Amino acid sequence: QVQLVESGGGVVQPERSLRLSCEASGFTFSRYGMHWVRQAPGKGLEWVAHITHDGTIKYYADSVKGRFTISRDNSKNTLYLQMNSLRADDTAVYYCAKEEYRGSSFDYWGQGALVTVSS
Amino acid sequence: DIVMTQSPLSLSVTPGEPASISCRSSQSVLQSNGYNYLAWYLQRPGQSPNLLIYLGSNRASGVPDRISGSGSGTDFTLKISGVEAEDVGVYYCMQARQIPWTFGQGTKVEIK
Repeated sequence: QVQLVESGGGVVQPERSLRLSCEASGFTFSRYGMHWVRQAPGKGLEWVAHITHDGTIKYYADSVKGRFTISRDNSKNTLYLQMNSLRADDTAVYYCAKEEYRGSSFDYWGQGALVTVSS
Repeated sequence: DIVMTQSPLSLSVTPGEPASISCRSSQSVLQSNGYNYLAWYLQRPGQSPNLLIYLGSNRASGVPDRISGSGSGTDFTLKISGVEAEDVGVYYCMQARQIPWTFGQGTKVEIK
């Protein structure tokens, strides 16, 4: 069965960096686009970043552009989110999500990794 | 950006009674391939979101047939024919027609 397991969350000071990982299993990782979606405490879902199946094309939300970098290692079945210059409003649970093959939806989600930005 | 607007934002339903959630997009989410790139998710308390409906009206694997999606273009509806306890949580619509992907604000469903 499809599994997505995030790791790397934690408490970090403002302006510092953190890298999240998402290890995938149960499907052919290299064939699917992947996303990061976040959810601030008590708030709704916000799409953060997308990477195509082969890593050649990446898109970002305006709120993280220039600070966050999405990447993947298909040999390790792992998705990454490098987060730099973190701000208090980046505090959220970060979910990795697998894209449905037509790109119409996110058909599987991880359990989430909590990132808290606080001094 | 395409703005997704859900209504109502909260719903209290008697078990066995129907429920309906509306989702409107500020631009059409109909793709050139003829499909509406509109999905519905349920986030149960303390859990990750779960895909319910994709391409506007297709049930995801394992989703009971009491849950259905309909609509086209800019107006969509999620219906639950008879609410059960496991349907409690927050429902989100999401468009995948245009980058950035955008979600509705969420509709919280509770049992009376």
